[in-house]
Amino acid sequence: ETGVTQTPRHLVMGMTNKKSLKCEQHLGHNAMYWYKQSAKKPLELMFVYSLEERVENNSVPSRFSPECPNSSHLFLHLHTLQPEDSALYLCASSRQGQASSGNTIYFGEGSWLTVV
Amino acid sequence: GENVEQHPSTLSVQEGDSAVIKCTYSDSASNYFPWYKQELGKGPQLIIDIRSNVGEKKDQRIAVTLNKTAKHFSLHITETQPEDSAVYFCASMDSNYQLIWGAGTKLIIKP
Repeated sequence: ETGVTQTPRHLVMGMTNKKSLKCEQHLGHNAMYWYKQSAKKPLELMFVYSLEERVENNSVPSRFSPECPNSSHLFLHLHTLQPEDSALYLCASSRQGQASSGNTIYFGEGSWLTVV
Repeated sequence: GENVEQHPSTLSVQEGDSAVIKCTYSDSASNYFPWYKQELGKGPQLIIDIRSNVGEKKDQRIAVTLNKTAKHFSLHITETQPEDSAVYFCASMDSNYQLIWGAGTKLIIKP
C-alpha cells in the first residue's frame, strides 16, 4: 500500500464511450500526476498538478481531460478514445511538483485501460 | 530536450550473481537520477537515487554510480535474490524539473 489508490483497476470501453479514472492520495502531498505506461516504452508524463493547478501538460490529446478538485483527488476523463490509447494509466503524488532528491514520487497500482 | 536510454531491456542472471543496468542521458544540466522498481501488478517504487554532486551511493545490496562526464549512471544489485525479479526504470530530471524515464529493464533471477 503506497497511499495512492486508483479506481477502477481495469476498464474496457468502446471508442464512443465516456468514462473516468479516479485517483486518491492519503499522503498529504501537494502534487499529483497522470502517467501513461505502454509495453517496453518509457513512462510518459501526461499531466502534473501542483496545489490543484495544472503545471504541466505534455501535448496530450484533448480526448484526455484531467480534473483536480483538491490536492487529494485527481481524475482523468476519457472520451472518444482510440485503440492505441489502451495502456496502464498510473497516478502518482509527491510533496511538491518538482523532481528532486527527497521528493519521492509515489505511484498507485494503475488502471488497465482497453479501448475496443 | 532530455533523452534517457536504458540497457539492456531484459537481463537474466543466476540467483546470487550480480546484475548491472545502465542508463545514459543527454542533458548535461541534469542533476538528479532516481531508480524505480516495478513489481508485477504494482506501480513503480523508488529504490535508490543519486544527485550529481555524488559519484556513488549504496544501500545494502543496491548501489548506483554516476559518471557525469560520460553522462551515464548505473544500478548495481549484488547477491541477487528471487524477490529482485521486477522491471527497473531509471530517470533523469529535465529542465522543467520533471522526470524523463528510461524504457525499463526486466530483471529475471534464475533459481
